[in-house]
Amino acid sequence: AQSVTQPDIHITVSEGASLELRCNYSYGATPYLFWYVQSPGQGLQLLLKYFSGDTLVQGIKGFEAEFKRSQSSFNLRKPSVHWSDAAEYFCAVGVFGNEKLTFGTGTRLTIIP
Amino acid sequence: GAGVSQSPRYKVAKRGQDVALRCDPISGHVSLFWYQQALGQGPEFLTYFQNEAQLDKSGLPSDRFFAERPEGSVSTLKIQRTQQEDSAVYLCASSPSGTGYIEQYFGPGTRLTVT
Repeated sequence: AQSVTQPDIHITVSEGASLELRCNYSYGATPYLFWYVQSPGQGLQLLLKYFSGDTLVQGIKGFEAEFKRSQSSFNLRKPSVHWSDAAEYFCAVGVFGNEKLTFGTGTRLTIIP
Repeated sequence: GAGVSQSPRYKVAKRGQDVALRCDPISGHVSLFWYQQALGQGPEFLTYFQNEAQLDKSGLPSDRFFAERPEGSVSTLKIQRTQQEDSAVYLCASSPSGTGYIEQYFGPGTRLTVT
């Protein structure tokens, strides 16, 4: 069965600094990969997704992620964070023929002035 | 347009009570998913519908959990004889296609607290 690991429970970044959130997956074939963001009291919003093709994917709100098969990783990046980016971020994996998404435990992002 | 809505947003139940959680998906969406999110954890899959057919219920933790979507639109997740370990946020998501990989649109969730 597939699994997702987000090694960082909590990250603090200064406003305007760059950001990288780590995600590692375990699955025998190429999975479908997703990043979602969850603000307090809100549902999950899709930031970006990778199905196939170009390994660098662009998402909403200035986020991007890079799929690295050799490292089984799909890290999320943003060159300059804004205070409004403070939220919980979840990486998720889906596999062909199985509709459910498997989520990581999330990384809480705090932005300091 | 309207997104996925869930009601109630908050529910407090005494241990042993039955609860029913409602999900209104985006109109016309074929697929509907339920997830359970415990405090400090990521969402965990419970069950999946394609129209009115429940195609996967492998994530339901016990036979106290039951979900239905009788007309292929609104769905209800029912928990019988609630236990403290059932306390969590229950998220509903819908997808326009028969596969969830295009995008799953999530509702705000129902926070269930069992006392």
